[in-house]
Amino acid sequence: GAVVSQHPSWVICKSGTSVKIECRSLDFQATTMFWYRQFPKQSLMLMATSNEGSKATYEQGVEKDKFLINHASLTLSTLTVTSAHPEDSSFYICSASSGRVGGYTFGSGTRLTVV
Amino acid sequence: QQQVKQSPQSLIVQKGGIPIINCAYENTAFDYFPWYQQFPGKGPALLIAIRPDVSEKKEGRFTISFNKSAKQFSLHIMDSQPGDSATYFCAASFSGNTPLVFGKGTRLSVIA
Repeated sequence: GAVVSQHPSWVICKSGTSVKIECRSLDFQATTMFWYRQFPKQSLMLMATSNEGSKATYEQGVEKDKFLINHASLTLSTLTVTSAHPEDSSFYICSASSGRVGGYTFGSGTRLTVV
Repeated sequence: QQQVKQSPQSLIVQKGGIPIINCAYENTAFDYFPWYQQFPGKGPALLIAIRPDVSEKKEGRFTISFNKSAKQFSLHIMDSQPGDSATYFCAASFSGNTPLVFGKGTRLSVIA
């Protein structure tokens, strides 16, 4: 089946530094990548949608200069949290879409803790 | 405006019981309705999904019932086991490369 590898699974960083999260589709081409954020005991909140080779589309309230998304190839998308602050601490999850109906594959998530 | 409403927020059942989780949607243009299971610290995993032209789908112990006229769908877990204890999310999406819209989730506990 379709597999999306997300790394790192957890990261701790200091305030003011940047962190990069990678998602790779291992056995299919991800025409679209979705990035979600999840707070404890809450649902997944869509942050942005990115199509390969295009600029990401951010949801209302999500700072595009803080959460940089790159989708340079059909198998790799990255989310960079710039100048991280403790309030950015959260669980970040990517979902790759192959374009067919129901073709969503989720990564295993990244737990970011900013200290 | 929440497009997919899920209930209950939490549910406790005895082992062997049949927990039922319900979702209601508002937009009739949705055409894909999946259920996801999520364990703490993990990404959501697809359990089962249905399209609006089908009223019921069964895969193993999991069954989706879909009522298009009522704009509702539900997940039934037969012979529930302690290992089924997790958070379950319903979702919906439109055709094409559009994002899933998630319900708020149901925390299920199956006690022995």
